[in-house]
Amino acid sequence: EAQVTQNPRYLITVTGKKLTVTCSQNMNHEYMSWYRQDPGLGLRQIYYSMNVEVTDKGDVPEGYKVSRKEKRNFPLILESPSPNQTSLYFCASSFGVRTGELFFGEGSRLTVL
Amino acid sequence: RKEVEQDPGPFNVPEGATVAFNCTYSNSASQSFFWYRQDCRKEPKLLMSVYSSGNEDGRFTAQLNRASQYISLLIRDSKLSDSATYLCVVYQGGKLIFGQGTELSVKP
Repeated sequence: EAQVTQNPRYLITVTGKKLTVTCSQNMNHEYMSWYRQDPGLGLRQIYYSMNVEVTDKGDVPEGYKVSRKEKRNFPLILESPSPNQTSLYFCASSFGVRTGELFFGEGSRLTVL
Repeated sequence: RKEVEQDPGPFNVPEGATVAFNCTYSNSASQSFFWYRQDCRKEPKLLMSVYSSGNEDGRFTAQLNRASQYISLLIRDSKLSDSATYLCVVYQGGKLIFGQGTELSVKP
């Protein structure tokens, strides 16, 4: 089954404790992206990757890191989480963003205390 | 001004009603337009693309007005299962930009 898989789905952590949210897709997509969704603000792009070893900042990259060592994986790293990073995070992939069709993971709800 | 703006709603409508959502975008160079649907606490999914001439998919009709820089989504004969948040999405400058979404609640 074609899918984007994120883990963990739910996480409560404390300020400053490094964490990684994994994202994996099995559709051989070149494009992958991370978004955060907050009430009243909609989906905002954190980082994206057009292909392996190519990553770029989105609109809200501060406090986040990513890597794209393999085509299928695009982990999101929070080196020192803060409460303002409490949010719902979505990973997405696509053959090409111009098509408009993004395939999203089920989301990871992160709470930073 | 936000790049993509939607009325957040909620729109509360009875079953069978026709409901329309509008979305405005600020950049006249925007190239492509889409509607996504997001069920509560779930991931967004592509509902339909929006073509210049307008397009229909069953009960759903999407239209684009480039001169006024808005797109619309019309849902006819609303079903309970249409209850969701509808996201307007614009492709410009190599990026997809999401509106904050319009919440629709269809009541029996």
